[in-house]
Formats: sequence, C-alpha cells, structure tokens
Amino acid sequence: EAGVAQSPRYKIIEKRQSVAFWCNPISGHATLYWYQQILGQGPKLLIQFQNNGVVDDSQLPKDRFSAERLKGVDSTLKIQPAKLEDSAVYLCASSHYRGRDYGYTFGSGTRLTVV
Amino acid sequence: TQLLEQSPQFLSIQEGENLTVYCNSSSVFSSLQWYRQEPGEGPVLLVTVVTGGEVKKLKRLTFQFGDARKDSSLHITAAQPGDTGLYLCAGVEREYGNKLVFGAGTILRVKS
Repeated sequence: EAGVAQSPRYKIIEKRQSVAFWCNPISGHATLYWYQQILGQGPKLLIQFQNNGVVDDSQLPKDRFSAERLKGVDSTLKIQPAKLEDSAVYLCASSHYRGRDYGYTFGSGTRLTVV
Repeated sequence: TQLLEQSPQFLSIQEGENLTVYCNSSSVFSSLQWYRQEPGEGPVLLVTVVTGGEVKKLKRLTFQFGDARKDSSLHITAAQPGDTGLYLCAGVEREYGNKLVFGAGTILRVKS
C-alpha cells in the first residue's frame, strides 16, 4: 500500500512569515495525526483528527498554528506567524485498527527552518 | 497525557556488543510500541506489545512489556552498524482516542 505522503520535504522561511504543510494519509485510515519533532527529541503530538473531527488539539499553539482535514482525507497544518522556535520536523501519521492493536504509519516529514 | 522516560539518551558501542534500552512510565498504557527512525525519515514501527509480560523477537531484537504494562525494554544482541539510529518507545492511550505518546528517544551508534 502507498505510504503517508507529505509535502514539501524542506522549507526555509523568515520569522513572522507563514507556512503550510500538506499530508495525504493512507487510504481508509480514519485517524490522522500531526507531530512536531525538535532535533534530538521524540515527536510531540500537535493535533489528532478522527475523520474530519478534532480528537485532541491540547498541545497545538492555537495563536499561531491551525490545522484542518477536509472531507476526512487530506490535511494541512499552517503556522502564521512563524517563530524561531518552530524550527523542527513536522510529521504526519495515520492509523487503523488491526484487530488487536493499532497500526501507525508515518510520513517522511517536513523539515522547517525559521531564520 | 502520560509521560514515558527512555534511557539511556545516547549509546555508542562497538559492533558485536549487546545493549538494552529502557522505557518507563508511572502509568499504564493499553499497548506500547517501539519505533526506529533514521535521519530525514519518519519513525518506522518495529513492534507492538499489548499483554503484560509479553516478549516479542524480531531477529536480533527482543522486546519485553512489563507485567504491569508500565515499562518496556528493547534488547539488541550482537549489534551491527546497520542498527544505528534513533529508537523511540511510544505508549498508546486508548482512553484518549488512541493517542500515541512518545518518549524522548535513544540515539544508538554502532561502530565497526
């Protein structure tokens, strides 16, 4: 099966600019996640969607970050305005129930550098 | 959100040595997963452990879930340079919509 697709792979912007990331999950996976991974750390969940509804966005900095999942398929994550500390890899993942547990598949991520 | 602590943070060993990575929490998870991540790529799932006391083997890798489902370990036998990477444990919080919570990771470097 095709994996989780993310674009762009890399993005360099100046602070206070805006940026958007796109994710296409595995077909049929109802749950979609956006994670932020700062260099040397484990991924931190930003937002979780179940179909097109938000399950958890408790760690999303809502003053500058926003995300949507139209029609329960593709998703976009936006940062406006960006800060230096937003420099990180943004990972998208999707999951499905496998009868005993859940299988999670991650995309390759978008590496954001804010200068 | 429950927290997962991984140790050690960094491990540098010679080819052929054995090693163990630990993942601990004060809370119970419905299941626990181990991932390996290489530079520039997303984490790749290695294994999921669900039952307390469960042991799973994947070639030279042995994964164990603690009896109380609060801790886990990853043991690598005869490490090879190809094992180099970031190893992440992640707990599944079923009561929170199957949210996946990650530990900080263990960076493993195997020298030839």
